[in-house]
Amino acid sequence: AQKITQTQPGMFVQEKEAVTLDCTYDTSDQSYGLFWYKQPSSGEMIFLIYQGSYDEQNATEGRYSLNFQKARKSANLVISASQLGDSAMYFCAMRDGVGTALIFGKGTTLSVSS
Amino acid sequence: DTEVTQTPKHLVMGMTNKKSLKCEQHMGHRAMYWYKQKAKKPPELMFVYSYEKLSINESVPSRFSPECPNSSLLNLHLHALQPEDSALYLCASSQDRSTGNTIYFGEGSWLTVV
Repeated sequence: AQKITQTQPGMFVQEKEAVTLDCTYDTSDQSYGLFWYKQPSSGEMIFLIYQGSYDEQNATEGRYSLNFQKARKSANLVISASQLGDSAMYFCAMRDGVGTALIFGKGTTLSVSS
Repeated sequence: DTEVTQTPKHLVMGMTNKKSLKCEQHMGHRAMYWYKQKAKKPPELMFVYSYEKLSINESVPSRFSPECPNSSLLNLHLHALQPEDSALYLCASSQDRSTGNTIYFGEGSWLTVV
């Protein structure tokens, strides 16, 4: 069965530091997509970055990069140079197979301090 | 700014009321979704519309009734709700239901049932 695991309920980092949010997944399908979303306290779910299972290079979007280790089934999010506005809940999510639902991990709350 | 627009942002309703949540997207997407999210939990899928046809009904209670008037609009009709239905309701859309298509979310509608 498909599953997403985020083991860090909360993470604390200072401004300008880099932070890694962990995500492991489980699926028996060869084709799948991995996503990271940011959810501030306002509630909006903001798409950050996507990695396809067949992509050979790690995805990057500005300050966000995805450390994809297929053999270990991990898809960690790396945020470089943290900013106060990065404080939010971060969800790792996966879709496997056409027509399947997007499933989410339990989320990690990131707190950035000055 | 999100290209998925949800109204209203906040809704308070009594258990005997009938109300609706509305969602609109102008990205030409052919799949639209309703998710329910309780505090500090990941979103849970309620309904999926693909090409204006209901594809998944995740055993959601009949007091929630989705409607997709056209490919750009998705409504969620609410009737005789219970206090435990109080939650953040997120609308989302994607190009279609392929594995690699990103799902984009709206800002959400905060629902309180009194």
